[in-house]
Amino acid sequence: GEDVEQSLFLSVREGDSSVINCTYTDSSSTYLYWYKQEPGAGLQLLTYIFSNMDMKQDQRLTVLLNKKDKHLSLRIADTQTGDSAIYFCAEKGGYGGSQGNLIFGKGTKLSVKP
Amino acid sequence: NAGVTQTPKFQVLKTGQSMTLQCAQDMNHNSMYWYRQDPGMGLRLIYYSASEGTTDKGEVPNGYNVSRLNKREFSLRLESAAPSQTSVYFCASSDIWTANQPQHFGDGTRLSIL
Repeated sequence: GEDVEQSLFLSVREGDSSVINCTYTDSSSTYLYWYKQEPGAGLQLLTYIFSNMDMKQDQRLTVLLNKKDKHLSLRIADTQTGDSAIYFCAEKGGYGGSQGNLIFGKGTKLSVKP
Repeated sequence: NAGVTQTPKFQVLKTGQSMTLQCAQDMNHNSMYWYRQDPGMGLRLIYYSASEGTTDKGEVPNGYNVSRLNKREFSLRLESAAPSQTSVYFCASSDIWTANQPQHFGDGTRLSIL
């Protein structure tokens, strides 16, 4: 079945770039998503990429998609302490896939040191 | 601009008690979802409702029931709570008519079962 894998932890210094990586298994996924979860809060959609794109840039965020390797990455430029959170990669699929169900990775906890 | 509202935010139950978690969205979305989030497990889909009047099982439905009361509301019921159901529960909604179909999340219900 579908599966999404992410590393669990990433630690960077303030001002550096952060790169969070994700691999997925469903080659038919049309959209792939990055969500951010701050402590005690729900998931907030950060950005998404359509499967026919290789790259998408949105201010400090850059998403790279390698369909051949089924690899997705999220780069955060000039990382700030406010970026400390858990980041989830997600792909469309799973149950009743056409209805928008998402398969989530376990999340990468980003810690930003001042 | 409420989005997805979940009640209650926190709850402590004793084993065997029942309760209903409430969720409402004001974005006129067709689809609604219930997830549970456990440490190191990411988010797992419990049940979803593709549209008003329909519900389907997700990855981990055992021990839960759901009701799609109307287009706005989707409730999750624990008939006889067990310690294994201690978790953070998230409700989400999405619009199947939006191409990228992002899911919008509530802030979660933190449930402890003793």
